[in-house]
Amino acid sequence: AQSVTQPDIHITVSEGASLELRCNYSYGATPYLFWYVQSPGQGLQLLLKYFSGDTLVQGIKGFEAEFKRSQSSFNLRKPSVHWSDAAEYFCAVATLQGAQKLVFGQGTRLTINP
Amino acid sequence: DARVTQTPRDKVTEMGQEVTMRCQPILGHNTVFWYRQTMMQGLELLAYFRNRAPLDDSGMPKDRFSAEMPDATLATLKIQPSEPRDSAVYFCASGSGLAGGPYQETQYFGPGTRLLVL
Repeated sequence: AQSVTQPDIHITVSEGASLELRCNYSYGATPYLFWYVQSPGQGLQLLLKYFSGDTLVQGIKGFEAEFKRSQSSFNLRKPSVHWSDAAEYFCAVATLQGAQKLVFGQGTRLTINP
Repeated sequence: DARVTQTPRDKVTEMGQEVTMRCQPILGHNTVFWYRQTMMQGLELLAYFRNRAPLDDSGMPKDRFSAEMPDATLATLKIQPSEPRDSAVYFCASGSGLAGGPYQETQYFGPGTRLLVL
């Protein structure tokens, strides 16, 4: 069965610093990949998604992610974080072959230091 | 702007009571997802509807949970009887149904219903 791993439960970075959130998946075929953000007390909002084509995907709020098939990874990056980026970030994988499923990672909580 | 709405936002109830959560998808969206979020299990997909028909409810405990869409503007998730282990935040999300498959959808999430069963 497919799985999604976000190795970092909690990350703290300083405002203005760069950010990389890790996501690894386990799935035999090319998956559909998503990053969602959840602000406190809110639902999830889509940041970006990858289906095919260019492996570097641009999203909203200045985020980008890169799909690396050889590493089964889809890491999220931002060159300079803002205090408003403090939130929980979820990577998700959708499988389209066989029994279709959508699986979310456990999430990474991002704290921003002023 | 268009948003998914969920009611109630918070619900405290006693074990054994019936709980009904409601979701109004974005107007024009024809796919609806129900999720449960807990600290231990994270975000779990409970059920998925397209054009009001349940297409996947494999994640939902069948003995006590039920999900319906009485019409295109209302989705309900019911727990009867409720148990303390049902305490969680329940999210509804909707999608436009334009993607090739349900799990390719961009999903628009509501704010959630926080349920506490005592």
